[in-house]
Amino acid sequence: AQSVAQPEDQVNVAEGNPLTVKCTYSVSGNPYLFWYVQYPNRGLQFLLKYITGDNLVKGSYGFEAEFNKSQTSFHLKKPSALVSDSALYFCAVRGGYGQNFVFGPGTRLSVLP
Amino acid sequence: GAVVSQHPSRVICKSGTSVKIECRSLDFQATTMFWYRQFPKQSLMLMATSNEGSKATYEQGVEKDKFLINHASLTLSTLTVTSAHPEDSSFYICSARETGSSYNSPLHFGNGTRLTVT
Repeated sequence: AQSVAQPEDQVNVAEGNPLTVKCTYSVSGNPYLFWYVQYPNRGLQFLLKYITGDNLVKGSYGFEAEFNKSQTSFHLKKPSALVSDSALYFCAVRGGYGQNFVFGPGTRLSVLP
Repeated sequence: GAVVSQHPSRVICKSGTSVKIECRSLDFQATTMFWYRQFPKQSLMLMATSNEGSKATYEQGVEKDKFLINHASLTLSTLTVTSAHPEDSSFYICSARETGSSYNSPLHFGNGTRLTVT
């Protein structure tokens, strides 16, 4: 069975500082990994994905994520946080053909001015 | 591109009535759409997979007679909450996969519908 863990319910970071939102996964076979962001009372917006290739994936709004196969992790990062990055972030995984997306529990990011 | 419109964004209804939520792909065709429910401070729970022209596939524990899904065209799926009760109050989100897109393509999400049953 597929599963996604986001060990931190809440991450606080000062504006201008680097941020990391953690994600670990479990899936049989090769994983397809995604990060989405959700603003209040809105749907999810796609940020980036890892399918294959370079372990460092760059996405929207300056975000990037690093795939680590040995640690089964896909942490989301940004070198310099903005107050406008404050939102709920979801990691998602999809395994083999026919399997649905599985979303993590979400991590609330607060960027403090 | 790849815009999903979900309507209404908010709805308040009385207990016992039915509510219909629409999910439209505006600039692409979507053979498959998904309906999720999100509880406060929780992740998305997949309710059902909606396939154009066929019956929806419901996840375990989701009552298909209560949450009616219709996917009559390649750009529209509807979720009807029948005989709504206060415990059905939640945030419902749809997503769509573009027809013909690769298996590892991201899903496109609507902005969600906040349902409050009084």
